Amino acid sequence: NAGVTQTPKFQVLKTGQSMTLQCAQDMNHEYMSWYRQDPGMGLRLIHYSVGAGITDQGEVPNGYNVSRSTTEDFPLRLLSAAPSQTSVYFCASSYLSAGTEAFFGQGTRLTVV
Amino acid sequence: AQSVTQLDSQVPVFEEAPVELRCNYSSSVSVYLFWYVQYPNQGLQLLLKYLSGSTLVKGINGFEAEFNKSQTSFHLRKPSVHISDTAEYFCASTGTASKLTFGTGTRLQVTL
Repeated sequence: NAGVTQTPKFQVLKTGQSMTLQCAQDMNHEYMSWYRQDPGMGLRLIHYSVGAGITDQGEVPNGYNVSRSTTEDFPLRLLSAAPSQTSVYFCASSYLSAGTEAFFGQGTRLTVV
Repeated sequence: AQSVTQLDSQVPVFEEAPVELRCNYSSSVSVYLFWYVQYPNQGLQLLLKYLSGSTLVKGINGFEAEFNKSQTSFHLRKPSVHISDTAEYFCASTGTASKLTFGTGTRLQVTL
């Protein structure tokens, strides 16, 4: 039972480089989301999806892109990395109804130099 | 719009002492409330949640929380903490959709 799998666990990028953070879930959850965690700021929503082909912006979407071609996968793309995107990124999934438990991946620690 | 406030960024406590982590929420609509725990270098996992009904909610690892509508609070408590409870704790809410709004987190540091 894999749950939510994120890859890679660690990544160092140079300013201006692009990369994709992968997220996959095997629970057939409709709702998937990406958060970034920064000290003293909690988790802030970047983008979310309520099903295949449907995505929307969260609180801090600038500099990030997402797509949802399948129920299982929800990759997050950094188009041109900046030092301000140094953070820990978490992917989460849940059923599409209020009050259900969200399941989180182990996180990706990204450093942009 | 919903918001969640965690009043304490850090709470130091001795082992076997009681602890309360405070959380206040604001919402103009029905709200569902959660506490998640994050152990070092791990993702978040659910401790407990309040949807409706009894205002005292029991969770895993001996934690409980009380929903107080008049004070818009959802404080987390444990009568006797253990070293292994050292972690960061997040209060969160959702409205009628699945989108979680998190507080800024409280770091619980348990020492001998």
